[in-house]
Amino acid sequence: GQQLNQSPQSMFIQEGEDVSMNCTSSSIFNTWLWYKQDPGEGPVLLIALYKAGELTSNGRLTAQFGITRKDSFLNISASIPSDVGIYFCAGHFTTPGSARQLTFGSGTQLTVLP
Amino acid sequence: EAQVTQNPRYLITVTGKKLTVTCSQNMNHEYMSWYRQDPGLGLRQIYYSMNVEVTDKGDVPEGYKVSRKEKRNFPLILESPSPNQTSLYFCASGGVPGGELFFGEGSRLTVL
Repeated sequence: GQQLNQSPQSMFIQEGEDVSMNCTSSSIFNTWLWYKQDPGEGPVLLIALYKAGELTSNGRLTAQFGITRKDSFLNISASIPSDVGIYFCAGHFTTPGSARQLTFGSGTQLTVLP
Repeated sequence: EAQVTQNPRYLITVTGKKLTVTCSQNMNHEYMSWYRQDPGLGLRQIYYSMNVEVTDKGDVPEGYKVSRKEKRNFPLILESPSPNQTSLYFCASGGVPGGELFFGEGSRLTVL
């Protein structure tokens, strides 16, 4: 299947700092999604991007769909303790006659220190 | 409340003992999928279903079976579990291709 490289694998930051993580792909995608997984829970959608170049915000979160359609980044501003968790990027690409499938990155484990 | 429900949430079993993890969604979604989550590997798709009676393999289908007899249910079957299937499993459903997936809370399986 398609491969997604997500970095960094883990981050330790101080409360109040900004955070940036990104995903790159060897293939182009039609959709980029960013999910967050709290400890003991399933992933929950944070931001969805559907158009190359699109920049979307959700509160303190901002994500962009790269112009090449092969990358995306997620920024978190002014981090707070509840930002702790694993962040996943996911890409989707459909060709005529193929089935819908979402490919996930390996995740970024975020720890926010008080 | 819109949700995806998985059972059991935790299970310890032994090699070779057949087990089923159930998944049910109440959002009338056509698309459902199973993932396994392992450290450093993210979420890998096992099987997915585009609609009732339509299922297909994901990236890591070996050792698993699924069925989709009803729209709301998508059970994951391990006919003869092995230790390498010890993992955290997630069921997900979605209504729009390429759109949001809603995940269950996960089922942690240990195979001894």
